[in-house]
Amino acid sequence: GNSVTQMEGPVTLSEEAFLTINCTYTATGYPSLFWYVQYPGEGLQLLLKATKADDKGSNKGFEATYRKETTSFHLEKGSVQVSDSAVYFCALSGTYKYIFGTGTRLKVLA
Amino acid sequence: NAGVTQTPKFQVLKTGQSMTLQCAQDMNHNSMYWYRQDPGMGLRLIYYSASEGTTDKGEVPNGYNVSRLNKREFSLRLESAAPSQTSVYFCASSVDRPQGEKLFFGSGTQLSVL
Repeated sequence: GNSVTQMEGPVTLSEEAFLTINCTYTATGYPSLFWYVQYPGEGLQLLLKATKADDKGSNKGFEATYRKETTSFHLEKGSVQVSDSAVYFCALSGTYKYIFGTGTRLKVLA
Repeated sequence: NAGVTQTPKFQVLKTGQSMTLQCAQDMNHNSMYWYRQDPGMGLRLIYYSASEGTTDKGEVPNGYNVSRLNKREFSLRLESAAPSQTSVYFCASSVDRPQGEKLFFGSGTQLSVL
């Protein structure tokens, strides 16, 4: 069946550091891939998405590229801010449902 | 627009008690979902409703029932709460079936079963 594996956290970085959160997936067919972010006390909200191979999703300085050959969708940001502290979820969607990774907590220190 | 609204935000139950979590969306979405979030396990789908009048089981449906009351509302019922149901519950909706679609989440219900 479909599955998503993302790196365990927590990830602690200093402000302006480079961020990578790894995500790999297993799926039949051609799923869409997503990154969602959850701030404390809130529901998840979409950060970015890609719907086909080689697509790059981007938003708020975050980027991720849909790599079919390596079945990966790693999240990157060149310079993190304290306000980026949150939990990040990688996800894929098939025809009928989403599959979420376990989430990676990011803490950015000033 | 309010988006997806869940009530209550917090609830404490004793083992064996029942309760219903309410969810409503004002975006005219066809599909609605209930997830639970547990530490180290991410989000797991309990039930979903692809369209008004239909419901289907997700990964972890045991101990829960749902009702898609109309296009706007999708409720989750715990008939006899157990400590294993202590979790944070999220309702979500999407325009249509999830392929390529963005999910819109409510702010969650934190449930403790003692």
